Amino acid sequence: DAGVIQSPRHEVTEMGQEVTLRCKPISGHNSLFWYRQTMMRGLELLIYFNNNVPIDDSGMPEDRFSAKMPNASFSTLKIQPSEPRDSAVYFCASSPGQGQREKLFFGSGTQLSVL
Amino acid sequence: GENVEQHPSTLSVQEGDSAVIKCTYSDSASNYFPWYKQELGKRPQLIIDIRSNVGEKKDQRIAVTLNKTAKHFSLHITETQPEDSAVYFCAASGGSNYKLTFGKGTLLTVNP
Repeated sequence: DAGVIQSPRHEVTEMGQEVTLRCKPISGHNSLFWYRQTMMRGLELLIYFNNNVPIDDSGMPEDRFSAKMPNASFSTLKIQPSEPRDSAVYFCASSPGQGQREKLFFGSGTQLSVL
Repeated sequence: GENVEQHPSTLSVQEGDSAVIKCTYSDSASNYFPWYKQELGKRPQLIIDIRSNVGEKKDQRIAVTLNKTAKHFSLHITETQPEDSAVYFCAASGGSNYKLTFGKGTLLTVNP
C-alpha cells in the first residue's frame, strides 16, 4: 500500500484565492482526519470523518474552511478565500476502524504558503 | 476538552545517553496515549502507544510509562543514536471521543 497520499506537496497562492487540498486515505481505513501544523500552535485537528460522514468539525477555524469526503477513497479541504495566516502544513491522516481508530497514518502533508 | 502539556520543548543529549520526555493530560476519561516521531520535513509516524490498562510498554530501545492517577506519561529512549534526532509528540484520546489531542512537541537532538 502506498500509504496516505496528499496533493499537492506544495502550494503557493495569493491572499483571496481559493485553495483545495486533496487526500486519498489508505484503502480499507474507515476514519480520515485533517490536521494543521504550525510552529506556534503545533498539530491541530480540523475535522474528522468516520465512514465518509463528518463527525467533529469543531476545529475548523472559520467558515472559510470546508471539507468533504464524497467517497471512501477521497477527501478535500478547501479554503476560500485564503489568508496569510492560513500558511501552514496541512496533514491528512487515516486510521483503521475496529478498535484501532486512534492509530493515525499520516500523509506527507501539503505545505501551504499564502502571500 | 483535553489539554496535553509536553516537556521539555528541546532536549539535547550525547549519543549513548538516555532521553526522557514527559507529558501530562487533563481529561481523566482519556485512555489511549501514543507517541509520534517527526523527522525534519517528514510526516509524523507512530512509534509506540499505551492504553490505560497498562502501566509500561517497551519496544527495543523505547519505552512508555503511564501514571493514570497523576495523569502523566513519559517516553524513554535508551542508548540514543543520531538517527533518533527528531521532534517527538505525545497525544491523548479517550472514551467515545476518538480525537487525538497532541502536545506541542519536543525537539530531540542526539550529538555524536
